[in-house]
Amino acid sequence: DAGVTQSPTHLIKTRGQQVTLRCSPKSGHDTVSWYQQALGQGPQFIFQYYEEEERQRGNFPDRFSGHQFPNYSSELNVNALLLGDSALYLCASSSPGQGYYGYTFGSGTRLTVV
Amino acid sequence: GDSVTQMEGPVTLSEEAFLTINCTYTATGYPSLFWYVQYPGEGLQLLLKATKADDKGSNKGFEATYRKETTSFHLEKGSVQVSDSAVYFCALFNQAGTALIFGKGTTLSVSS
Repeated sequence: DAGVTQSPTHLIKTRGQQVTLRCSPKSGHDTVSWYQQALGQGPQFIFQYYEEEERQRGNFPDRFSGHQFPNYSSELNVNALLLGDSALYLCASSSPGQGYYGYTFGSGTRLTVV
Repeated sequence: GDSVTQMEGPVTLSEEAFLTINCTYTATGYPSLFWYVQYPGEGLQLLLKATKADDKGSNKGFEATYRKETTSFHLEKGSVQVSDSAVYFCALFNQAGTALIFGKGTTLSVSS
């Protein structure tokens, strides 16, 4: 049973560029959440998608946007990249039926902005 | 708003030593509490959880008790192993039950 799959695992972008990160949820999960983990810090909630809509958003600027597809997979887009956007981006999937105990994290995408 | 504070590391122990990592929280109501572990180069794994006051979560020899009166959820293990070396995060679920709020993490290094 595949868990949460994220791609790519690493990437390097230049300041001002745009980036798209992808996440496939665990089988049976329909909700996807995105977190940003800066070096030496705990993950911070970016937003959550359920039924193809953004259900809740953390304290992140509009440069961060997302999308959820009918197959429950999700994308995180970041525009006008800043050096401070360098971080590990974690995707987590869950299912309302399983409650938060089913919350499962992927291994993350490490983004470096130069 | 809701927040989690955990002791700063790194924590360096010898194998078979006793481990305590302190965690306190600020939240509205009585949130569910969690400990996650992150091994080098990996994502987060749920270590244990507790959903109400006085609940004790346990897994792989680790334990933590939900203390409402002190708003704490300290992680303990009686005898650590080298394989326990990782970063440990204390977390709670926000009131809406949609997002985890994490502490900054505590790095544990165990030597043989």
